[in-house]
Amino acid sequence: DGGITQSPKYLFRKEGQNVTLSCEQNLNHDAMYWYRQDPGQGLRLIYYSQIVNDFQKGDIAEGYSVSREKKESFPLTVTSAQKNPTAFYLCASRGQGSYEQYFGPGTRLTVT
Amino acid sequence: AQSVTQLDSQVPVFEEAPVELRCNYSSSVSVYLFWYVQYPNQGLQLLLKYLSGSTLVKGINGFEAEFNKSQTSFHLRKPSVHISDTAEYFCAVTRRDGGSQGNLIFGKGTKLSVKP
Repeated sequence: DGGITQSPKYLFRKEGQNVTLSCEQNLNHDAMYWYRQDPGQGLRLIYYSQIVNDFQKGDIAEGYSVSREKKESFPLTVTSAQKNPTAFYLCASRGQGSYEQYFGPGTRLTVT
Repeated sequence: AQSVTQLDSQVPVFEEAPVELRCNYSSSVSVYLFWYVQYPNQGLQLLLKYLSGSTLVKGINGFEAEFNKSQTSFHLRKPSVHISDTAEYFCAVTRRDGGSQGNLIFGKGTKLSVKP
């Protein structure tokens, strides 16, 4: 089955620790995206990548970092600099020539 | 820049009643339009999209939407809802000219609550 996987589903961390969220796709999509979702705020773009070894900041990149070393993988690191990291994080991908994005199941991060 | 406004944050409705979820957008260039659905603690699933052609678009689960260019709207409708339609619905746009690099602009979502 083709799709996007995000792991883990739930993640708990102590304040001050960096944490990496995994996103893998086997759809052969070139573009990948990370969004943050908070209640009542919709989806906000953190980072996106159009091709391997290249990525751009979205609207709320501060306190986050990414890498795109492989086409299939786009991990997101939430650093200790992110002031309010508790949220639901969604990864998405888009195929070349296509306009819709396909989403993974999400990771709910709780930092205490 | 583009923006999307979903006019209702919550819509309660009884089972088997019709529903309309409203979406208006603002853009200086032509756009493609999408509706996504999100069930609790899950990712987003594409319901339908408007790229070109007929302004009435049919999607999955019996939903349809109508693109109205003059009113810059893309309202989502279903003639008879089921309990299983309870979810959050997101309207989104992207530029037709590729100027946004395929990035989607989302509305803040509408929570549909279907009551028995």
